[in-house]
Formats: sequence, structure tokens, C-alpha cells
Amino acid sequence: DTGVSQNPRHKITKRGQNVTFRCDPISEHNRLYWYRQTLGQGPEFLTYFQNEAQLEKSRLLSDRFSAERPKGSFSTLEIQRTEQGDSAMYLCASSLGSEAALSRYGYTFGSGTRLTVV
Amino acid sequence: DQQVKQNSPSLSVQEGRISILNCDYTNSMFDYFLWYKKYPAEGPTFLISISSIKDKNEDGRFTVFLNKSAKHLSLHIVPSQPGDSAVYFCAGTSGTYKYIFGTGTRLKVLA
Repeated sequence: DTGVSQNPRHKITKRGQNVTFRCDPISEHNRLYWYRQTLGQGPEFLTYFQNEAQLEKSRLLSDRFSAERPKGSFSTLEIQRTEQGDSAMYLCASSLGSEAALSRYGYTFGSGTRLTVV
Repeated sequence: DQQVKQNSPSLSVQEGRISILNCDYTNSMFDYFLWYKKYPAEGPTFLISISSIKDKNEDGRFTVFLNKSAKHLSLHIVPSQPGDSAVYFCAGTSGTYKYIFGTGTRLKVLA
């Protein structure tokens, strides 16, 4: 297993266009997370899946954002009608479901998708 | 509302010396704290964690200290190496699945 894979690595889009990012987690991990990181900030939580169920969405995730994880495997994050403020690094992470393992060992992050809205 | 604060945006240390990175938090409900390291163009990687019931956790060259009364934690790296040059984020969690990250400290270890 090569870790958490995110595609594409970079995406430049015009304002108003829709974009979709993909995340392939570590195969045995049943939890998957999306975070967003803007310049000079730490990663900010967006949403979280346990298997295929989306269990929490941040207030940062406006109704232009939607995330799915069909069959509890890969996940997609779609942004509709992109705005310049959506420009950021979108990070995906995965982990095992054990609370003890998660607290002690953290998640495994992917390398991210850098979105630039022009 | 910034629940986790890293007030030093950058730090430079000579190779072989100690690096001390600091983090303050406001949320008393945090039960675990974690440190992540991030190199350019890569995602953050887990470094070390500490439970709120402990005051110290050590892993090789890395030690994290927690002072609950002061709501402060620090990461010590001894000895510092050039490969340690990266951005370091601390994070707190009270629900185990969601982390609140600080803004990061950029560490530069000078050879």
C-alpha cells in the first residue's frame, strides 16, 4: 500500500466552474477525513466518513461543497460554482476506526490537491 | 475562536542544539494532543502524541511536554538535524476523530 493518494495534485480553474477531487485512502482504513489548508493556517476540518456514512460536516462546508464515499472506499470532494476564496490545499486523510489507535497514532494524510481559482 | 495557538511563526536553530516548539490551547476538553511535521508539497505526517493525563511523552529525539494548568505544550527535538527543517503543527482533539490544528511553526535547522 502506497499510503493515501490524492488526485489531481494541482487544479487551476476559472471562477464559477465545478471541480472534483479524488482521495484513495489506505485500504484497511475505515475512516476518511477532508481538511482544507490556506496560506499561513493549519489544516481545518471539513468532513468525516466512517465507511460510507458521512458523520459530520463543518460549517466551513457550504452547500456548494459535497463529499461522497461510495462503498466505503475512495472519496470525492466536489465544489460547485467555485469562488476565489475556495483557493486552498485540500487534504484527505484516513485512519483505522479504533479510538485508541487514532488518538495515539493520528491519521495518515495524503499530499493534497492544490486548488487555484482564477 | 482559535483554540490552538502557535505564537512563533518561525524558529532557527543550529544543528546539534535543542529545538523547542511551543503551543497553547484554550479548550479544556481536549484529551489528546498531537504534533505533525509538514515538508513542502507533502501532507502532514504524524510525529508524536500525548494524552491529557500524562505530562511527558518521549520518542527518540522527540519529547512532548504538557502543562495542563497552563494549557501549554511543547515539543523538544534533541539533537536537531537539518532534516528536521519543516513546518510543525500541534493539534488537539476531544472527539478523537476531529483535530483542531494550530497555525504552525517553521523550523529551520542550520548546518
